[in-house]
Amino acid sequence: AQRVTQPEKLLSVFKGAPVELKCNYSYSGSPELFWYVQYSRQRLQLLLRHISRESIKGFTADLNKGETSFHLKKPFAQEEDSAMYYCALEETSGSRLTFGEGTQLTVNP
Amino acid sequence: NAGVTQTPKFRILKIGQSMTLQCTQDMNHNYMYWYRQDPGMGLKLIYYSVGAGITDKGEVPNGYNVSRSTTEDFPLRLELAAPSQTSVYFCASRPGKWSNQPQHFGDGTRLSIL
Repeated sequence: AQRVTQPEKLLSVFKGAPVELKCNYSYSGSPELFWYVQYSRQRLQLLLRHISRESIKGFTADLNKGETSFHLKKPFAQEEDSAMYYCALEETSGSRLTFGEGTQLTVNP
Repeated sequence: NAGVTQTPKFRILKIGQSMTLQCTQDMNHNYMYWYRQDPGMGLKLIYYSVGAGITDKGEVPNGYNVSRSTTEDFPLRLELAAPSQTSVYFCASRPGKWSNQPQHFGDGTRLSIL
């Protein structure tokens, strides 16, 4: 069965510092990986997906199949980046997502 | 489009009561999902549906029931509310397997059982 692990429940950085949110997965097939963000008491929003290879709000994530990782990175964190971040894996059938436990990012002024 | 709409936004139930959480989407999506979100636990899939008349269990289906009589609606039923079901519930939808669109989420229903 697929599994997504986010080893850090809490992550705190200062404004302007680089930030990396870790995500590791286990899946026997060819996965599609996502990062979702949830700002305080709001709905989950898609931040980015690995097939898009794009940068959203300065965030990037690269799928490393060898290390089975999909870490989220931003070179200069902003206070408005403070939120809960979820890594998610979609199985090949496309019917369901498996979420990690989430990382609460706090960017301090 | 309103997207995915969940009602109610908040509810307090007594142990043993029943209720239905409503979810509707106006995007003609085939796939719909119910998740619960508990602190430090991420989102767990309760039930999902790949089309009208078809439902499947997710990771944590016990204590819940669903139905999918129309494409638009995917209600979640709690028959005998228990304190362990205190959570935030999210409904989501996506077009279907052939689409590269991701899941769209509703605003959530915050449910407390006392």
